[in-house]
Order: sequence, then C-alpha cells, then structure tokens
Amino acid sequence: DAMVIQNPRYQVTQFGKPVTLSCSQTLNHNVMYWYQQKSSQAPKLLFHYYDKDFNNEADTPDNFQSRRPNTSFCFLDIRSPGLGDAAMYLCATSRARLAGKDTQYFGPGTRLTVL
Amino acid sequence: AQSVTQLDSQVPVFEEAPVELRCNYSSSVSVYLFWYVQYPNQGLQLLLKYLSGSTLVKGINGFEAEFNKSQTSFHLRKPSVHISDTAEYFCAVSGRRGNFNKFYFGSGTKLNVKP
Repeated sequence: DAMVIQNPRYQVTQFGKPVTLSCSQTLNHNVMYWYQQKSSQAPKLLFHYYDKDFNNEADTPDNFQSRRPNTSFCFLDIRSPGLGDAAMYLCATSRARLAGKDTQYFGPGTRLTVL
Repeated sequence: AQSVTQLDSQVPVFEEAPVELRCNYSSSVSVYLFWYVQYPNQGLQLLLKYLSGSTLVKGINGFEAEFNKSQTSFHLRKPSVHISDTAEYFCAVSGRRGNFNKFYFGSGTKLNVKP
C-alpha cells in the first residue's frame, strides 16, 4: 500500500543535542510538509517542500531545518533542541501545491522527548 | 483569511448513542473542508472531505458530515458510536495563501465513548 512512513516513532534526545527525524513516502507526491503538534493542540505547519522548492513558515524558529534529497525522502533537523521542542512531529504529503482540493496524507508521527 | 473553530474541546458520549462534533469555518474563497481522526500516538487519518456537489458527505467508519454554506458549518455526525471511535477529531479548511494551499486546523475535539 502507498503510504507515508516516519522513523523513528519515538525519539529521545538531550537538551541541545542535534536530532534528525525522517519521513519517506511511496505516493510519489510533489509536496511534503512538516508539522509540530503539542499535546491537545492542532498541528502547526513548520515548512513544506514543493519538489525541491523549500518554503518556511514565518514563525518557524531557525532551530528547525529541513532537507529533501529526493522525491521520496524528507528530513527534519532540530539543531539545538530545547525542552519546548518536545512534541509529536508529523510528516504529510499531497499531490500538488495549488490544488486546494488535494488531501494531505499523514504519517504516524515521531514523538520527540527532550531530556 | 481562513480559520476553523471547533466549539467543543471534549465530547463524552455513551456507546451506541448518536454524536455530533461541531465545526465552523471562516473563508472568503472557495471552500474545501476536511475531517481527520487521530488515535493516541498516531498520525491524522482522513475521515471525509467536502470539495463540491452534494452537501452531505459520507466517510469511513460510518461518519458523515453536512456542509452548510449559510451557517458556515461542517458538522460531523455518527448515528451510533463505538468504543473504538474514542479519538481526537480535527476539522480543517484548505485555503490558498500566497503561492500554496495551507490547511487551517481547528483545535480538535476529543470524543470519549463510554461503555
């Protein structure tokens, strides 16, 4: 089945220690998104890629970076995690950026704990 | 600008009872509306979506929603809930912002089905 995969499902890191979260997709979608979701809150968009075109949300901290080496993979790098970065990180994909009708397909998420 | 309001943060209901989860949206352009379900420590799964046409939309797991343009609402309903429906439900509107389409999520409604 076509799907969005996130690894690892659970990640523990130390305060200030860089961490990378991974997302892959077999849907061959053009757009990939990273969301941050804190407990009992709505997902918050951090950035998205349309192909290799990177688009940052205005309020995404510089501490968060992303890479998309090819269509299938996208990475979220947190350069110096703080306690406030502990959250669920969701990867999503959609077929095309400007088609408002497009569904976003979500992965299972990575729960990040910062000690 | 687009926005979504989910008036109820928590909805307790007994098994086999009907339920309605409320969603109101604000949008000045064409409206595309979505309901997602999130089980604990999981990603978001699409329940149903309204793109155009019939205002009554049927989704997975016996859920349906009705688009009401005059009341700017997209309430989710199920005639008889099961314990397994216990989850958090997010309403979203897809809106064009700049050169891409962004999902605007409501704050979520936690459905707690009791035996």
